[in-house]
Amino acid sequence: EAQVTQNPRYLITVTGKKLTVTCSQNMNHEYMSWYRQDPGLGLRQIYYSMNVEVTDKGDVPEGYKVSRKEKRNFPLILESPSPNQTSLYFCASSLGGAGQYFGPGTRLTVT
Amino acid sequence: EDQVTQSPEALRLQEGESSSLNCSYTVSGLRGLFWYRQDPGKGPEFLFTLYSAGEEKEKERLKATLTKKESFLHITAPKPEDSATYLCAVHETGGGADGLTFGKGTHLIIQP
Repeated sequence: EAQVTQNPRYLITVTGKKLTVTCSQNMNHEYMSWYRQDPGLGLRQIYYSMNVEVTDKGDVPEGYKVSRKEKRNFPLILESPSPNQTSLYFCASSLGGAGQYFGPGTRLTVT
Repeated sequence: EDQVTQSPEALRLQEGESSSLNCSYTVSGLRGLFWYRQDPGKGPEFLFTLYSAGEEKEKERLKATLTKKESFLHITAPKPEDSATYLCAVHETGGGADGLTFGKGTHLIIQP
């Protein structure tokens, strides 16, 4: 089954404790992206990757890091999480400019 | 100023009552316009891609159309299971980030 998976699905952590949210897709897509979704603000892009070893900033990259060492994986790293990073995070993948397939989401709470 | 504006923010319809959702955009060059459906607590589900003015796509009770300034998602004889938030996104040519810019969505409720 073609899918995008994210782990963990739910995470509660404390300020400053480094964390990684994993994302994996099995569709051989070149393009992968991370979004956060907040009430009243909609979906906003954090980082994206056009292919292996190629990443670039989206609209809200501050406080986040990404890496793309393999085509199927695109982890999101929060080196020092803060409460304003409490949000619902989505990973997505696609073939270039085609419609993106989204993962199920990771709900992160930073206290 | 928002590049992608969806209206209305919320819409409540009776089962079988057809209507349209609007997505207006202000980008310099459109590479593609996308419609998604999102159920509470879940990731957006891809519905349609439209690339040029005049293009139309259909899927069951949904039909998406595109002009140079806006897109419409027409819902014909909706059923309660069509209740969801519908998101519009644009992929702009040129510029920096090669990603999608999303509107804030239309929350649609279909009452039996």
